[in-house]
Amino acid sequence: SQTIHQWPATLVQPVGSPLSLECTVEGTSNPNLYWYRQAAGRGLQLLFYSVGIGQISSEVPQNLSASRPQDRQFILSSKKLLLSDSGFYLCAWSQRGPYEQYFGPGTRLTVT
Amino acid sequence: GENVEQHPSTLSVQEGDSAVIKCTYSDSASNYFPWYKQELGKRPQLIIDIRSNVGEKKDQRIAVTLNKTAKHFSLHITETQPEDSAVYFCAAVYSGAGSYQLTFGKGTKLSVIP
Repeated sequence: SQTIHQWPATLVQPVGSPLSLECTVEGTSNPNLYWYRQAAGRGLQLLFYSVGIGQISSEVPQNLSASRPQDRQFILSSKKLLLSDSGFYLCAWSQRGPYEQYFGPGTRLTVT
Repeated sequence: GENVEQHPSTLSVQEGDSAVIKCTYSDSASNYFPWYKQELGKRPQLIIDIRSNVGEKKDQRIAVTLNKTAKHFSLHITETQPEDSAVYFCAAVYSGAGSYQLTFGKGTKLSVIP
């Protein structure tokens, strides 16, 4: 069966510091991968998606970036965090095509 | 792109009553509609989905209906229980650049009052 991991689970970072969140998927190959952000009490905002290694599409201009160095690894980064970057970051995967997405456990980021 | 509207934003029901959440979408080419349940502090979990070739789908106390002509779909929960309390998100698939993206509604916070 497929499993999706995210780490760290929680993170407190000062403004201006860098960020690296990692997501890995097990039990599948060639997945579509997604990064979402969810502000407190709000909906899901798609940040990036990837259909393959090195292929990243951005949905919202921001100071975040994503990379996919391996088929089942997806990384979200920032060089300098802003207060507005606080939120619940969720990684998700799906099979190729119009299929359901499965979410990882999430990383709760607080920028102070 | 796709746009999904979800109503109501909050819903309170008495335990045992039914709850209905409605969503509309804009892209007539969308053909996959999942529903997610998110408990406080946890990840969204898929609870039911429906494809465009089906008008209704049931799974125990949960059902989803789809009206492609009107471009709306609904989640029905019968005999609600306190553990049904959560935020529910509807979504519609959007196809672009080889990736099938889900466009989510803004969510409905369901409270089931014992």
